[in-house]
Amino acid sequence: DGGITQSPKYLFRKEGQNVTLSCEQNLNHDAMYWYRQDPGQGLRLIYYSQIVNDFQKGDIAEGYSVSREKKESFPLTVTSAQKNPTAFYLCASSIWPGASTDTQYFGPGTRLTVL
Amino acid sequence: AQKVTQAQTEISVVEKEDVTLDCVYETRDTTYYLFWYKQPPSGELVFLIRRNSFDEQNEISGRYSWNFQKSTSSFNFTITASQVVDSAVYFCALTFPGAGSYQLTFGKGTKLSVIP
Repeated sequence: DGGITQSPKYLFRKEGQNVTLSCEQNLNHDAMYWYRQDPGQGLRLIYYSQIVNDFQKGDIAEGYSVSREKKESFPLTVTSAQKNPTAFYLCASSIWPGASTDTQYFGPGTRLTVL
Repeated sequence: AQKVTQAQTEISVVEKEDVTLDCVYETRDTTYYLFWYKQPPSGELVFLIRRNSFDEQNEISGRYSWNFQKSTSSFNFTITASQVVDSAVYFCALTFPGAGSYQLTFGKGTKLSVIP
C-alpha cells in the first residue's frame, strides 16, 4: 500500500535535547512538507522540499532543521533552540507543487512532548 | 496575504441532522485552490476535496456536498444525515500557484461532534 509513514507516534524530549522525527513516503511524490499543529490552531508550515537536496523555510522554521537526501525521506530535527516544541507534527507530500492535480496528502503525525 | 476563516469553533449535532461548516477565504490571486480536510481523533488529516477557483460548480459526494461561491469568497461544506463517524475536526485550506511554495494556508478548524 502506498502512503506516508511517520515515526515515532509519540516522542518525549528533555529540555536541551535535539530530536529527529521521521517521515517516509512511497508515493513517488517529489514534494514534501512539515507542518506544526498546536491545540485549537490550524497547521503552520515549517519547511518544505520540492526536490532532493533542496528545501525551503516555511513560516516557522526557527529552531528546526531538515534534510532531503532521498526522494522518499524528509526527516525533521527539532533543536534545543526551538522554544516551544511541544506540538503535533504532520508530514505531507504531493506529486509536484503547482501541478493541476496537486494535492497534499498527510501522514499520521508525531506528537512531541517536552518534559 | 492569504487568510482562511472558519468562524465556527465547535458544532454539536444529533445524529441524522444536517450540518454546514463555513469557510471564508481571502486572497488577491485570481487562480487559487481550496481544500477540505478531515482530522479524526487519530490525528491524520484526510483529504476530502480540492476545488479550483475557475470551477464554481458545486459538488456532491455521497452525504458530503460543497458550495463554492466566489462572490462571497466562501467554500462551505455540508454533511447530510450526519453520523457518529463524522465526528472530527474539519479544516478548510487555500493555496495558490505563486511564491514557489504552494504551501497550504489553513483555517483554525471546526470541531464537529455528532451525538448518537
